Amino acid sequence: ETGVTQTPRHLVMGMTNKKSLKCEQHLGHNAMYWYKQSAKKPLELMFVYNFKEQTENNSVPSRFSPECPNSSHLFLHLHTLQPEDSALYLCASSQVPSGAPGETQYFGPGTRLLVL
Amino acid sequence: AQSVTQPDIHITVSEGASLELRCNYSYGATPYLFWYVQSPGQGLQLLLKYFSGDTLVQGIKGFEAEFKRSQSSFNLRKPSVHWSDAAEYFCAVGARNNNDMRFGAGTRLTVKP
Repeated sequence: ETGVTQTPRHLVMGMTNKKSLKCEQHLGHNAMYWYKQSAKKPLELMFVYNFKEQTENNSVPSRFSPECPNSSHLFLHLHTLQPEDSALYLCASSQVPSGAPGETQYFGPGTRLLVL
Repeated sequence: AQSVTQPDIHITVSEGASLELRCNYSYGATPYLFWYVQSPGQGLQLLLKYFSGDTLVQGIKGFEAEFKRSQSSFNLRKPSVHWSDAAEYFCAVGARNNNDMRFGAGTRLTVKP
């Protein structure tokens, strides 16, 4: 059991739709992440939240909007996406001790997104 | 920033044969190193990690990896591959002062009967 859940597992949306991806971690971690995994490309880190505060945004287009209401939940709001945004979106969490180096990230199963 | 190279995109081995997946990293200090496995349609599962200490680390499912600082490598090994090991394997490097983790492009493992 991974301890990180994601819903939905599969999503098909049109370019004018608005949808949201949800991630929940049951591990008591204080950091959460969104990654994009496209075919034949390395995982791309999109967003990082530490203690509910966004600490990293790797030049992600504004059509992707993250939200982290608490340390256990992470959302990715999607609007006016493009076909090239079709990918597997992975959520991860980790425990980042204060004043200490980073720790292992634990991943959810991902949401397979297809943009038509 | 740190980076990872996995030189082999695809490897095929026979069931029962030994396996070695290569990983080279670039980082200015002692890195955190990880191997993850991803089965089709699934997320990433941690196989093992190296933070410090013994350079030979044992992981789940019979995997091990050896950190070689002189070669900037962290190769993954298994003495006898099982058909269920067919998956995509990712090496990753983390930094000691932040939670930014960089992944390699992955190596797809096929196991022949």
